Amino acid sequence: DVKVTQSSRYLVKRTGEKVFLECVQDMDHENMFWYRQDPGLGLRLIYFSYDVKMKEKGDIPEGYSVSREKKERFSLILESASTNQTSMYLCASSFSWGEGRAEQYFGPGTRLTVT
Amino acid sequence: QQQVKQSPQSLIVQKGGISIINCAYENTAFDYFPWYQQFPGKGPALLIAIRPDVSEKKEGRFTISFNKSAKQFSLHIMDSQPGDSATYFCAARATMDSSYKLIFGSGTRLLVRP
Repeated sequence: DVKVTQSSRYLVKRTGEKVFLECVQDMDHENMFWYRQDPGLGLRLIYFSYDVKMKEKGDIPEGYSVSREKKERFSLILESASTNQTSMYLCASSFSWGEGRAEQYFGPGTRLTVT
Repeated sequence: QQQVKQSPQSLIVQKGGISIINCAYENTAFDYFPWYQQFPGKGPALLIAIRPDVSEKKEGRFTISFNKSAKQFSLHIMDSQPGDSATYFCAARATMDSSYKLIFGSGTRLLVRP
């Protein structure tokens, strides 16, 4: 079974703090993604990575950065947390398109509250 | 052009009834249409997916109907069960889009009453 794990299920941080969200997958997937999920807005892509040290901006990258130093690990960084970044954060991974696989496997999510 | 519009936002169905969730898109380059199911406290999981070369795909009680000319697709859950209560997301993707992005709908929260 594919397993995508996220470092925390719940996180409470203060405004201005630097926040790290970690994601690890065990299926040797090339692609990894970070989404945020908000009621009525669905899943919105923040950043994705198609290879180690490679990253691309998604639809809402402002206020976030990412790091992928190893194939299995993809980190989301909130440089200076703000209250409007309170949300559910979901990590996903998939094979590269060249292998004909499109399915994204999701982690359980991290519910981040910024106070 | 990149949006996928999903309706309804919420749905209540009696046990044994049919649940229907609809999605519409504009980008004619989209050629892969998955549905994801999310239970509370869990991440979304792929439920069923379709490509536009077929008009319908069925897996157990779940069926995707696809209307290419109308640029619409829908999920039908036959004989809905309380265990189907979850949030459902439609999504779309273009094969030629090398960014591998899925564009998600806004989600439908389904409640199946016993």
